[in-house]
Amino acid sequence: GAVVSQHPSRVICKSGTSVKIECRSLDFQATTMFWYRQFPKQSLMLMATSNEGSKATYEQGVEKDKFLINHASLTLSTLTVTSAHPEDSSFYICVPTDALTDTQYFGPGTRLTVL
Amino acid sequence: DAKTTQPNSMESNEEEPVHLPCNHSTISGTDYIHWYRQLPSQGPEYVIHGLTSNVNNRMASLAIAEDRKSSTLILHRATLRDAAVYYCILKYPFGNEKLTFGTGTRLTIIP
Repeated sequence: GAVVSQHPSRVICKSGTSVKIECRSLDFQATTMFWYRQFPKQSLMLMATSNEGSKATYEQGVEKDKFLINHASLTLSTLTVTSAHPEDSSFYICVPTDALTDTQYFGPGTRLTVL
Repeated sequence: DAKTTQPNSMESNEEEPVHLPCNHSTISGTDYIHWYRQLPSQGPEYVIHGLTSNVNNRMASLAIAEDRKSSTLILHRATLRDAAVYYCILKYPFGNEKLTFGTGTRLTIIP
């Protein structure tokens, strides 16, 4: 199956710092990228949708200035959590969509812990 | 988005079959029924999907009710590695639509 990587897999940072999470589709091109987050014991919640070369569309309640999404290429998207706070501690998952088949593939996730 | 409802949790003995139910009474005629599962500390993985007919693959079987208002994911012989949260999701087949996750069913396998 298609391979999606996320880096880092785990990150611990101090409150007030910014963290960048990279998502790569290793063997397909992704025109669309979904970013989800998952708090402990809860389900996945969609944060934003981005299309390559365009600005991301954010779900209601997600601050676009806090969660910066860059989808500059068909194989790489980044999510930057700016001025992170403990309440941003969560499991972040990217889901790129194969441009040829419209199939969505889940990344392995990034566990962010903000102290 | 059409909604799905699943039991919060289920238990099953190892090496026995498991039937995971999902209700989707407001499903539209074009929605596919997708199942994903999420192992601890991992992203979800695809299990199976179908439209009307029952489907089988190496991981599981999917039984879809004739009126399509419910479906059942069947694991024929559960192993400890099948312990996960199982999500039943409806997906419009065309275009690139987001997946909306419900609460899922947490499956515990008893050795």
